[in-house]
Amino acid sequence: EVQLVQSGVEVKKPGESLRISCKVSGYNFTNYWIGWVRQMPGKGLEWLGIIYPGDSDTRYSPSFQGQVTISADKSISTAYLQWSSLKASDTAIYYCARHRRNIYSGHDPFQHWGQGTLVTVSS
Amino acid sequence: EIVLTQSPGTLSMSPGERVTLSCRASQSILSSYLAWYQQKPGQAPRLLIYDTSTRATGIPDRFSGSGSGTDFSLTISRLEPEDFAVYFCQQYSGSPRTFGGGTKVEIK
Repeated sequence: EVQLVQSGVEVKKPGESLRISCKVSGYNFTNYWIGWVRQMPGKGLEWLGIIYPGDSDTRYSPSFQGQVTISADKSISTAYLQWSSLKASDTAIYYCARHRRNIYSGHDPFQHWGQGTLVTVSS
Repeated sequence: EIVLTQSPGTLSMSPGERVTLSCRASQSILSSYLAWYQQKPGQAPRLLIYDTSTRATGIPDRFSGSGSGTDFSLTISRLEPEDFAVYFCQQYSGSPRTFGGGTKVEIK
């Protein structure tokens, strides 16, 4: 069974750094694109970017390029989303999600989702 | 960037009714690379439909998708109580991938 288990709730202050994680099991981590989706309070879904753990090829939405960093550690089947300096506007639920198929083109929807990590940034 | 516009924002429906949700793209979506997700409060989204019209594993056949080019739709043939939720479309044709703003299907 494919599972994506995300790290827990975070409460941070503006300017602080943060890394949240998404540990996967039930499939070969290196062979599927895995990505991150933001959902601000009461709002819709926003695609941040994806990473192919096999070669660390990473693609970002221009809206989030330079604002976040997506990475992966193949040795522990874990993907990460990190910020170097949080802003109040980063307050949201962040989901990790895996593509449906193991195709390198990346033209695929998200089939499997983590439970979400709530990040609250407040002074 | 391909902008997806979903309409209407909210639909008030009764169980048993048929409902059609719309998703319009700002430019043509190639190879029918459009998906639909369902999200219930406090839950992660769930993939319903991919490649415009293919149901994901375990999705009941009352859900169907159609469309091409810039106009796509999701139809629920007979609303069940568990179908009241928010529905999002997503394109995975262009870069970046984008989601529509969502349509909430609420109980009338």
